Amino acid sequence: DADVTQTPRNRITKTGKRIMLECSQTKGHDRMYWYRQDPGLGLRLIYYSFDVKDINKGEISDGYSVSRQAQAKFSLSLESAIPNQTALYFCATSWGRDSEAFFGQGTRLTVV
Amino acid sequence: GENVEQHPSTLSVQEGDSAVIKCTYSDSASNYFPWYKQELGKRPQLIIDIRSNVGEKKDQRIAVTLNKTAKHFSLHITETQPEDSAVYFCAASIKRNTGRRALTFGSGTRLQVQP
Repeated sequence: DADVTQTPRNRITKTGKRIMLECSQTKGHDRMYWYRQDPGLGLRLIYYSFDVKDINKGEISDGYSVSRQAQAKFSLSLESAIPNQTALYFCATSWGRDSEAFFGQGTRLTVV
Repeated sequence: GENVEQHPSTLSVQEGDSAVIKCTYSDSASNYFPWYKQELGKRPQLIIDIRSNVGEKKDQRIAVTLNKTAKHFSLHITETQPEDSAVYFCAASIKRNTGRRALTFGSGTRLQVQP
């Protein structure tokens, strides 16, 4: 089945380290997103991309950067991880405007 | 602002009762309103969605209503069952500062169905 795959699934890293979370999809979708989930705060948008050369900031982009290496790949980087970036991170994809978003399995990141 | 407000944050019902979750949104031009269910340890998955040209949509025990004038929409679950216990998120396609639309999610409702 076509899917959205995130790696790693779990990661513990130290404060100040650079870390990359990767997302790949076999759905053939054009749009890809990174969301962060914290208890009681829902899913907040970090960055999104509508095409390979298109990158847009979401509501909480500070401290993060992204790269859309190909239509099927969208990676999220934390340049210098800090403890309040400890969260569950989801990648999602969709096709076209105003359509269902399909989520990856999530990456649980802990910054110590 | 680019907001979707969701209430309540927690909801406990007896099996067989109905559950209602409500959301409001800020962007009057929003046209797409999905609802997602997230079971413990799993990814969010779409359960139902509605577009702005429709006031109500139903799928078995689940229904969604939309009031575009008031900018609010609601999820209704009838005859609740223990397997309905999960976190539910509403979302709206909101226009952002970039001029592009992306799904903005509410803060979630934890529904517990007591057997």
